[in-house]
Amino acid sequence: DTGVSQDPRHKITKRGQNVTFRCDPISEHNRLYWYRQTLGQGPEFLTYFQNEAQLEKSRLLSDRFSAERPKGSFSTLEIQRTEQGDSAMYLCASSGTGVSGKLFFGSGTQLSVL
Amino acid sequence: AQRVTQPEKLLSVFKGAPVELKCNYSYSGSPELFWYVQYSRQRLQLLLRHISRESIKGFTADLNKGETSFHLKKPFAQEEDSAMYYCALSDSGSQGNLIFGKGTKLSVKP
Repeated sequence: DTGVSQDPRHKITKRGQNVTFRCDPISEHNRLYWYRQTLGQGPEFLTYFQNEAQLEKSRLLSDRFSAERPKGSFSTLEIQRTEQGDSAMYLCASSGTGVSGKLFFGSGTQLSVL
Repeated sequence: AQRVTQPEKLLSVFKGAPVELKCNYSYSGSPELFWYVQYSRQRLQLLLRHISRESIKGFTADLNKGETSFHLKKPFAQEEDSAMYYCALSDSGSQGNLIFGKGTKLSVKP
């Protein structure tokens, strides 16, 4: 499968713990996005990278959230001191520089904070 | 504020009936509008973009700036069209920060 891959698929953690998710984009894509989706809602934009540079962050992204893309390839999203409100599906997407708005999504990481 | 509204959470039609999934947006600039679709147990994927003015899987969507709408239409629904549909907008000057609506679940009955 040459699509966007995310790991893990599911994560259960206790409140207060730190969690880290990984995303591997389509190899030729230089743009990478993180979105969050809760039940009954559409995906909400969190942050965006072009190559290794983090170019845009949503106000939704509190200081407990940090994302990196150190070599312009895979990305990690870390949540520190998790809260029950962080429970959601975390989606990663990537795109090339060609077609605007054509994002390729991964299957997501489902986070449950107990 | 930028916003996408999909007024229907669920739309149920019979096979062969016409379908219209509604989408209204609020944006003061020059938005680009998209429809994304998620079939059962599959990933979210782009269905069509307003700028392409194309028909995909029999679906079309016309951007109506006067009514700030981008409704998705298909004249004859098929069972395989059953899925979750999301309308999204992007600032034409941005790099892909999409604002999604809450989605409409389309159920096509045999």
